[in-house]
Amino acid sequence: DQQVKQNSPSLSVQEGRISILNCDYTNSMFDYFLWYKKYPAEGPTFLISISSIKDKNEDGRFTVFLNKSAKHLSLHIVPSQPGDSAVYFCAASAGVLNTPLVFGKGTRLSVIA
Amino acid sequence: EAGVAQSPRYKIIEKRQSVAFWCNPISGHATLYWYQQILGQGPKLLIQFQNNGVVDDSQLPKDRFSAERLKGVDSTLKIQPAKLEDSAVYLCASSSNRVGYEQYFGPGTRLTVT
Repeated sequence: DQQVKQNSPSLSVQEGRISILNCDYTNSMFDYFLWYKKYPAEGPTFLISISSIKDKNEDGRFTVFLNKSAKHLSLHIVPSQPGDSAVYFCAASAGVLNTPLVFGKGTRLSVIA
Repeated sequence: EAGVAQSPRYKIIEKRQSVAFWCNPISGHATLYWYQQILGQGPKLLIQFQNNGVVDDSQLPKDRFSAERLKGVDSTLKIQPAKLEDSAVYLCASSSNRVGYEQYFGPGTRLTVT
């Protein structure tokens, strides 16, 4: 029973264009969402997060959108760069304090020069 | 600030052997997590410590896996005896006691059981 779903295993985008990575969740108790980026042979690196009280959070080229009614979030990368090529994991937690993260299976993004 | 340290980075063992992984979290981080990441999957929580106490070990296969966090700093995860399906990357993460925190991950230990 997957509570966090990333239905696209891979995505290929041209350099300079927008990358959109999607994530759906089923648990209504989730109220904090994070995106992690992972390069081969490294641990996941925190990228950006959003609380359920917001519907958008922006950090440089990265923007996360949250649609609570649809239980859907997306990560936009504009413009995409070759160095963005990695596996992106969506993660969620049922708030309060220091609760474990529930991860999706990840989406492999390839940015083509 | 130093990141989360893990060792070894790679380990190959035969089934039924035992293995141990070590983690040193970011200084001052009270919460420590061990995750298992099987190829093609996202990380899955095995155990969570708050200081040296266990907060959640509901997904830890306790017949073969054990973990401890002595003095609330370093942690060790042990598998005994190992099975083929234990082949995975074992990730350690830590976080501070703040709402809206992020978890910081180490590089992981890739375990291959043959």
